[in-house]
Amino acid sequence: GESVGLHLPTLSVQEGDNSIINCAYSNSASDYFIWYKQESGKGPQFIIDIRSNMDKRQGQRVTVLLNKTVKHLSLQIAATQPGDSAVYFCAERSQGAGGTSYGKLTFGQGTILTVHP
Amino acid sequence: DTAVSQTPKYLVTQMGNDKSIKCEQNLGHDTMYWYKQDSKKFLKIMFSYNNKELIINETVPNRFSPKSPDKAHLNLHINSLELGDSAVYFCASSPFQETQYFGPGTRLLVL
Repeated sequence: GESVGLHLPTLSVQEGDNSIINCAYSNSASDYFIWYKQESGKGPQFIIDIRSNMDKRQGQRVTVLLNKTVKHLSLQIAATQPGDSAVYFCAERSQGAGGTSYGKLTFGQGTILTVHP
Repeated sequence: DTAVSQTPKYLVTQMGNDKSIKCEQNLGHDTMYWYKQDSKKFLKIMFSYNNKELIINETVPNRFSPKSPDKAHLNLHINSLELGDSAVYFCASSPFQETQYFGPGTRLLVL
C-alpha cells in the first residue's frame, strides 16, 4: 500500500476503460519527454518517449500527446488492465548551457493509476 | 539477462556508518546515473558519469561520493549516514543523452 501522507494525484478506472494521465512540464526549452511506469517495489520502467518536434506518438496500447503551447504532456492507455496499476511519471530533458543537458531528466511528481477488475 | 543491477536490494544501518551501493549494467551504455527517490516518490538525479567521467553533479552533500571504475559500473559511497538519507536509490544507464533504463533500486533505512 501507499505511505501515509503520500499525496500524489490518483486515477481509478475500471478494467477495459481508457486511461489518460496528464503532466505539466516546466521548461519550454525541453526537447525530449519520457513516460515511465513504476510498479510497487520496482524501478521505473520505460513506456514511451517523444521528441519536441512531434505532437503525437503511438506504441502498443499507449499514446503520448505533446502540446508545447501549454507545456502539457499526456499518456493515454487503451483498454486498461489490472497489470497497468502503478505510479506513472513523466520526465523532461532540457537543454543546458552550450546546448547539452548531458541527459539530465527532471521528473514530475507521479500519478497513481489503480485499475479495478 | 541484459539489465541494470544493483546491490544490495535492502540496506539497514545505524546513523554515522559508512556504506556503499553498487551498480552494474551490461547494456553497453556509455552513461550511468544515480537517483534518489524520497518517501513521496519524488525522483531526483544526484550524479551522472559518461565514460567514467563525472558530467552531472547536483546539489548533494559531499558525504555522497560516486565512483566509476569502468563504463559498466557506477558505485555510490555514503559517509556518516544520517536519518534523512533514508530513501530508495536508483541506478540508471543510457546511451549518451538518450533514454535511461533503471535498476531495481536499493532501499536504504538509516536508524
